[in-house]
Amino acid sequence: AQTVTQSQPEMSVQEAETVTLSCTYDTSESDYYLFWYKQPPSRQMILVIRQEAYKQQNATENRFSVNFQKAAKSFSLKISDSQLGDAAMYFCAYSPDYFGNEKLTFGTGTRLTIIP
Amino acid sequence: NAGVTQTPKFQVLKTGQSMTLQCAQDMNHEYMSWYRQDPGMGLRLIHYSVGAGITDQGEVPNGYNVSRSTTEDFPLRLLSAAPSQTSVYFCASSRISGRASNEQFFGPGTRLTVL
Repeated sequence: AQTVTQSQPEMSVQEAETVTLSCTYDTSESDYYLFWYKQPPSRQMILVIRQEAYKQQNATENRFSVNFQKAAKSFSLKISDSQLGDAAMYFCAYSPDYFGNEKLTFGTGTRLTIIP
Repeated sequence: NAGVTQTPKFQVLKTGQSMTLQCAQDMNHEYMSWYRQDPGMGLRLIHYSVGAGITDQGEVPNGYNVSRSTTEDFPLRLLSAAPSQTSVYFCASSRISGRASNEQFFGPGTRLTVL
């Protein structure tokens, strides 16, 4: 079974600084997808960024980027120019690449605090 | 376009009571699923469906039933609530296509407390 590990229960960063959240995963599959979801205090789950395992290029979405190391099974999220609105729980998630299989395996989350 | 809706937002049950958590989506998504979120454990998959009439178990299915009679609706039934089912429940939906890269859209969640 696949597992996703987030070893940082809590992180904090000064506003406008850069922070990196760590995620490692375990799978025997060669094709899969990795995601970062944000959960603000409103409880809504919001997709931040996704990475296809078959793509070597790291995904970026504005201030959010990932460092995907397939051999090391590592998938970290970098948030640049941190803003107060970035304060939330961040979940790393994995999905195997089977047709019709949209199942997500989540990590336990990292609570990010932004210091003004 | 309401997206994924869940009712109720909050619910308190007594041990042994039954109830149904409602989930509906208006995006014509084939895939729907239920997750529960417990402190320190992330989200775990309870049941999922790839289309009307088709359901399957996820990681933590015990104590829950589902059915999918329409594309839009995917209710989750607790037959005899237990305190261990106190959690926040999320419904999600997505398209199904050639590769499993589709964004899953989550509902706002239902906070359930079982006394």
